[in-house]
Amino acid sequence: GAGVSQSPSNKVTEKGKDVELRCDPISGHTALYWYRQSLGQGLEFLIYFQGNSAPDKSGLPSDRFSAERTGGSVSTLTIQRTQQEDSAVYLCASSLRFSPRGLFFGEGSRLTVL
Amino acid sequence: AQSVSQHNHHVILSEAASLELGCNYSYGGTVNLFWYVQYPGQHLQLLLKYFSGDPLVKGIKGFEAEFIKSKFSFNLRKPSVQWSDTAEYFCAVNARNAGNNRKLIWGLGTSLAVNP
Repeated sequence: GAGVSQSPSNKVTEKGKDVELRCDPISGHTALYWYRQSLGQGLEFLIYFQGNSAPDKSGLPSDRFSAERTGGSVSTLTIQRTQQEDSAVYLCASSLRFSPRGLFFGEGSRLTVL
Repeated sequence: AQSVSQHNHHVILSEAASLELGCNYSYGGTVNLFWYVQYPGQHLQLLLKYFSGDPLVKGIKGFEAEFIKSKFSFNLRKPSVQWSDTAEYFCAVNARNAGNNRKLIWGLGTSLAVNP
């Protein structure tokens, strides 16, 4: 597709379950980011991938969170043993290399942990 | 620490009113400045950006923003809003030498509601 695609758009899960969120970036974009948008909070950086370099995981809030990017394209964000405070919209964005010229965001995956 | 402050959390206007959303940042060096918009049910998209040159930046849909270095501000303006401008607006800043967008610092956002 022409834009950043995320799935699922909505996910409701029970506390303690694992969830996987998927991001398909714009073709040719080597940089991929995951952000979290919680109610009343600004966008929170989670993790950044750039090409074959080691990802910047400095924003991941706990070891329950992990992400991978296979083949330099699709990325999966995994949250293990979900907690209610994990409820948020998880946004994926991509851009060309080290470009500060703006990110292209997906529509997000809304996660609700009951 | 670097931070971005958006002064108005919720703004309600009538159509044709003028809009100004405040954004101040704290960083002593050279910065890139952005405004992003998120319409209801849609993804975030870039509204306008400033890197260098003319401090008055024009964006899409009639929006503009002015970078005032002495005030560390990058306020968003529109002379006459429309109902379709109802959205959430985010200001973001990164240090010019950050090299990549992981150093983007985001404001909390301003929710704008325009009444027809």
